[in-house]
Amino acid sequence: EVQLLESGGGLEQPGGSLRLSCAASGFSFSNYGMSWVRQAPGKGLEWVSDISGRGGVTYYADSVKGRFTISRDNSKNTLYLQMNSLRAEDTAVYYCARDRYSSSWPQGSWFDSWGQGTLVTVSS
Amino acid sequence: QSVLTQTPSVSAAPGQKVTISCSGSSSNIGNNYVSWYQQFPGTAPKLLIYENNKRPSGIPDRFSGSKSGTSATLDITGLQTGDEADYYCGTWDSSLSAGVFGGGTKLTVL
Repeated sequence: EVQLLESGGGLEQPGGSLRLSCAASGFSFSNYGMSWVRQAPGKGLEWVSDISGRGGVTYYADSVKGRFTISRDNSKNTLYLQMNSLRAEDTAVYYCARDRYSSSWPQGSWFDSWGQGTLVTVSS
Repeated sequence: QSVLTQTPSVSAAPGQKVTISCSGSSSNIGNNYVSWYQQFPGTAPKLLIYENNKRPSGIPDRFSGSKSGTSATLDITGLQTGDEADYYCGTWDSSLSAGVFGGGTKLTVL
């Protein structure tokens, strides 16, 4: 059974940093691209970032580019999101999700498994 | 403002059919696969449809997807009260080099 377990959320001041983790189990982690998707309170889903299976290719939403860094440690089956220069508008539940594709990644991919999410609150 | 446009809310009676639409452009829906997700309050999204019209195992055939040009639709037939949820479309935008979602559609089963 695929399991994704996020951790690392919490309350942080504007301008601060947090690192989110997503522990994966139940599948061959290095064979899959992985993503972070967030959801602000009462709002819709927002794609944040994507990383290839080996970690060599990454993509970011414009809203986080230059501030967030996605990475992975395939030896630990863990996905990370380093969040710097946090802003109030980064307040959200952050989900990690597994990418699946049949033709091309990431253009033809979808998210077939999701974690339960971790809440990040940015406030003074 | 989401890149993909969805009607904020739809409603229908139990047993009826509802169509949820998702509108985009040639850089996203027009040239990439669309997926659909169901989300109940306080829970993580769940994959309903991938590659425009394919259902993962365990998803009832009451849920179906289609795509035409730069728009996609999710049909739900035989509505049940348990279908009340938020529904999101998603795809990749090749011009933005980014994943994109619709703003979500809240389904109410009256």
